[in-house]
Formats: sequence, structure tokens, C-alpha cells
Amino acid sequence: AQSVTQLDSQVPVFEEAPVELRCNYSSSVSVYLFWYVQYPNQGLQLLLKYLSGSTLVKGINGFEAEFNKSQTSFHLRKPSVHISDTAEYFCAVGNTGGFKTIFGAGTRLFVKA
Amino acid sequence: NAGVTQTPKFRVLKTGQSMTLLCAQDMNHEYMYWYRQDPGMGLRLIHYSVGEGTTAKGEVPDGYNVSRLKKQNFLLGLESAAPSQTSVYFCASSSGQYNSPLHFGNGTRLTVT
Repeated sequence: AQSVTQLDSQVPVFEEAPVELRCNYSSSVSVYLFWYVQYPNQGLQLLLKYLSGSTLVKGINGFEAEFNKSQTSFHLRKPSVHISDTAEYFCAVGNTGGFKTIFGAGTRLFVKA
Repeated sequence: NAGVTQTPKFRVLKTGQSMTLLCAQDMNHEYMYWYRQDPGMGLRLIHYSVGEGTTAKGEVPDGYNVSRLKKQNFLLGLESAAPSQTSVYFCASSSGQYNSPLHFGNGTRLTVT
């Protein structure tokens, strides 16, 4: 069975500071990993995805994530955040065994001026 | 570029009432999903469909029914609403490949009193 754990429910950070949102997963088969972002009163939209190849994945809005198979992690990073990055971020996993995506509980990023 | 459209956006029901949530997508996607989002629990899959005329149960299907009579539409029904069904409901669609991302609607906020 698959599962996704987001290690922080809330992350407050000052504007222009770096941020890392942590995600760990468990799966018995090959995985495909995603980060989605949800702005207030909106649906989720894709930030980036890891399917195969390079373990460092770049996404929209300056975000990137690194796939670490040995640590079963897929942490999201941004070197300098903006107020507009305030949102909830979801890590998710899919696999070749099916087409259902499993989501983590979400991390609320709050960027302060 | 409509993408995935959900109606209504808000609804308040009394316990025992029924309602139907409508989801429409214009991307010719085969797969459609209904999720519910509750604080601290991420997104949980209610029902999904892998094509016109087919539906299947997800993680939390009790109390809900679905229908997919047309490829572009996926309906979620509550026959007898309960306060435990107060939530934000999201519809999503995908091309169906295991590595394809989900495209979400903007959600329906349902309150059952």
C-alpha cells in the first residue's frame, strides 16, 4: 500500500527567505511523484512532477524538488519566497499499479513580510 | 480554457436532504474523480470513473453515488445528507496514464446542518 507523509502541517517564513517543505512516501512499486499548490478558494494545480530521469525536478514559480529513492523523500524547495507563495502545498504519489493518486495531508506555507 | 468546471460553488443542506454536484471537463479526458477535502486530512478519493458508463469506489464512498453518462460529465449525488458530509468537494480529470497529473475544478463548499 502507498502512503504519503508531509512532515510539517504549517511552515511560517519571512519573505525572501529559503523554504523547504518535506514529503516522505512509501510504496512497494515504482512511483511517480507530484507537488500541487492550492491558493485560497481555488482547486489544486500542478507545481512539478517526477516521473524518471534526473532526480532534481524544476517546476513553476521557481520551485524545485529532489527525489531521493534511498530516503523515500521528495522535498520541495524554493531559494527565495514571495508573499504570493502563501498557499497550501500537497505532495502526491501515483504508481504503475493503478491510476489513483494518493495525497499527503498538506503543508500550509505562510510567507510574512 | 474552461478546463474542469464544478457547479454549484456553495451549498447549504439540512440533514436528510439530497443534492447533486455536477462536474464538466472539456479536455476529452477519460478519467474523472471526486475527492473531498477536510482540514488536516488532505484529499480523499470518493469515487472515480475510467470512462463513459463506468464508475468505481474510492477510499470513502459511503453515502455518495456517482454517474458518468457522458464522457465530459461526472455527477456526485448525496441521497440523504449528514453533517459528516460537510466538506469541500473537488472534481478532477486526467488522461488516465499513471504518470499524468490531475486537473482540478475550483471546488464546491457544502455545509450540512
